[in-house]
Amino acid sequence: EAGVVQSPRYKIIEKKQPVAFWCNPISGHNTLYWYRQNLGQGPELLIRYENEEAVDDSQLPKDRFSAERLKGVDSTLKIQPAELGDSAVYLCASSLDGRVQETQYFGPGTRLLVL
Amino acid sequence: KNEVEQSPQNLTAQEGEFITINCSYSVGISALHWLQQHPGGGIVSLFMLSSGKKKHGRLIATINIQEKHSSLHITASHPRDSAVYICAVVRDTGNQFYFGTGTSLTVIP
Repeated sequence: EAGVVQSPRYKIIEKKQPVAFWCNPISGHNTLYWYRQNLGQGPELLIRYENEEAVDDSQLPKDRFSAERLKGVDSTLKIQPAELGDSAVYLCASSLDGRVQETQYFGPGTRLLVL
Repeated sequence: KNEVEQSPQNLTAQEGEFITINCSYSVGISALHWLQQHPGGGIVSLFMLSSGKKKHGRLIATINIQEKHSSLHITASHPRDSAVYICAVVRDTGNQFYFGTGTSLTVIP
């Protein structure tokens, strides 16, 4: 069974440019998470989807970040415009549903470097 | 102040040693997760705990809800155990996740 797929794996852009990350969760998983992980830190939740509905986006910087999961499967996370401080690893995870007992399965992450 | 604190931040051990990583939290939780992250790799979930103790192979995780503390133990450590171990808690209100900063473990042959 394929795990969580993310692309691209690496991205280097200049500040003020837009960037988008894509995530394909494990088939059948209704809950999808986007996290940001800075170097030496634990992951920080940006947004959580239950199917196509964003149920927790309280930590998403809405002035420049946006996300969508239109058909309740794949998701994209966009930053426009990117700032130097956005350099981090962006992790996508999925779980069968949003219950706390459910294991989250993480993708390999997209490493973003903003110059 | 972080809701989740881990110690130590860095740990180097000789192969075969018994290892303990600690996690303390300051909020009410419904569950606690231990995660493993290899360099350049994704994150793997090791345990989910809401009480007591769990064991999987050479890994043991314990939690004391009253003391708001959890430990991850590795018996007979091996170089392949070298990774960052992250503690994450789920708030008992709203299903919010809080992550510790991780413990970087290096096991030397």
